Amino acid sequence: SQQGEEDPQALSIQEGENATMNCSYKTSINNLQWYRQNSGRGLVHLILIRSNEREKHSGRLRVTLDTSKKSSSLLITASRAADTASYFCATDAGQAGTALIFGKGTTLSVSS
Amino acid sequence: NAGVTQTPKFQVLKTGQSMTLQCAQDMNHEYMSWYRQDPGMGLRLIHYSVGAGITDQGEVPNGYNVSRSTTEDFPLRLLSAAPSQTSVYFCASSYLQGLGYGYTFGSGTRLTVV
Repeated sequence: SQQGEEDPQALSIQEGENATMNCSYKTSINNLQWYRQNSGRGLVHLILIRSNEREKHSGRLRVTLDTSKKSSSLLITASRAADTASYFCATDAGQAGTALIFGKGTTLSVSS
Repeated sequence: NAGVTQTPKFQVLKTGQSMTLQCAQDMNHEYMSWYRQDPGMGLRLIHYSVGAGITDQGEVPNGYNVSRSTTEDFPLRLLSAAPSQTSVYFCASSYLQGLGYGYTFGSGTRLTVV
């Protein structure tokens, strides 16, 4: 079974609004990553947060991690139409860096 | 620097046929892994390798074989294709160096089994 469960499964917003998506996971982790996938394309790495970090920023992205609740959130501020994509959280399958376990993803649609 | 190259990009198989999906990386990454993605789902780990000659099973290994004879190549074999194996397959390579590591994904192989 997949490690992470994203919430919501789908999200529709207007350009300029913020988008928040959440991920829950089952086992203890070393770190958690977020990926973006445009329709029919490969995966693009967005951001990695380590288990000893609580918040991390990268441009318009803000990721939080709560290890006590086994959850993470990804916030995209001032969304653009180009942010339309599916977003997945992923954790290590075993030893860090070897392979990943993905959640089912949140499909974000940003309309202009 | 090509990164991770997957071939073919598209394939149609008949039930019961066998085939090999190719994955090659030119970054000298130690680790490689295979995933499948079904419609509306995240990627699920099939098999992975932590080095030449060393492989392990992931979440959904049944029906697939792998081997890793070189650092660069990590082929995925479907022994007897079934319609349930219709999916998009992604290969990734990764490295671990100190506290840092990173993943590079191929562009995928879209497989249809009829």
